[in-house]
Amino acid sequence: QVQLVQSGAEVKKPGSSVKVSCKASGATFSYYAFSWVRQAPGQGLEWMGGLIPIFETPTYAQKFQGRVTITADGPSSTAYMELSSLRSEDTAVYYCVGNYRYHYDSSGNRNWYFDLWGRGTLVSVSS
Amino acid sequence: EIVLTQSPGTLSLSPGERATLSCRASQSVSSSYLAWYQQKVGQAPRLLIHGASSRATGIPDRISGSGSGTDFTLTISRVEPEDFAVYYCQQYGSSPPTFGQGTKVEIK
Repeated sequence: QVQLVQSGAEVKKPGSSVKVSCKASGATFSYYAFSWVRQAPGQGLEWMGGLIPIFETPTYAQKFQGRVTITADGPSSTAYMELSSLRSEDTAVYYCVGNYRYHYDSSGNRNWYFDLWGRGTLVSVSS
Repeated sequence: EIVLTQSPGTLSLSPGERATLSCRASQSVSSSYLAWYQQKVGQAPRLLIHGASSRATGIPDRISGSGSGTDFTLTISRVEPEDFAVYYCQQYGSSPPTFGQGTKVEIK
């Protein structure tokens, strides 16, 4: 049974960076497809990017290109999402989500639905 | 990217009634790669349906999904008290994966 355990809440200043972790227990880590989805207060869900560790190369939503970095550390079975140049609009709950199943779309991109969700990490950005 | 539009925005129902939620895509979702999630207040979303109609583990059979192409539906045959929540559809047929804006099912 896979579990995704995320790091705790963060309070950050505008312009700084935040790095959220997601430890996957019970998973064959290298083959697990991780994504990060965020939800601003009272708003809907927004995909930020994803990574399957064995393929190494992450994919990012265009909106976050240049500001987000998704990485994975095999020995610790932990995935990370780092968001830089924070602004107040980045205040949100950040979810680590995952699945073993993925497929290739017509452009050769890997896509998957979100089978398992972490409990979320609240990131508050305020001066 | 594919834009998903959910309707209605809010559905007011009494327990025991039937709920029908719609998700319409701006272009065809390949291979019916469409998922539905339920989110209760203060909780993370939970997967209900993938592949347009396949129930996730532990999801009761009163919840079902249908549709293909650009039109998808989530149906709750008889709404139970625990079903009052916000529901999101998501397409994963092409990159980037996208979500609808959500439908709130509330107690009438």
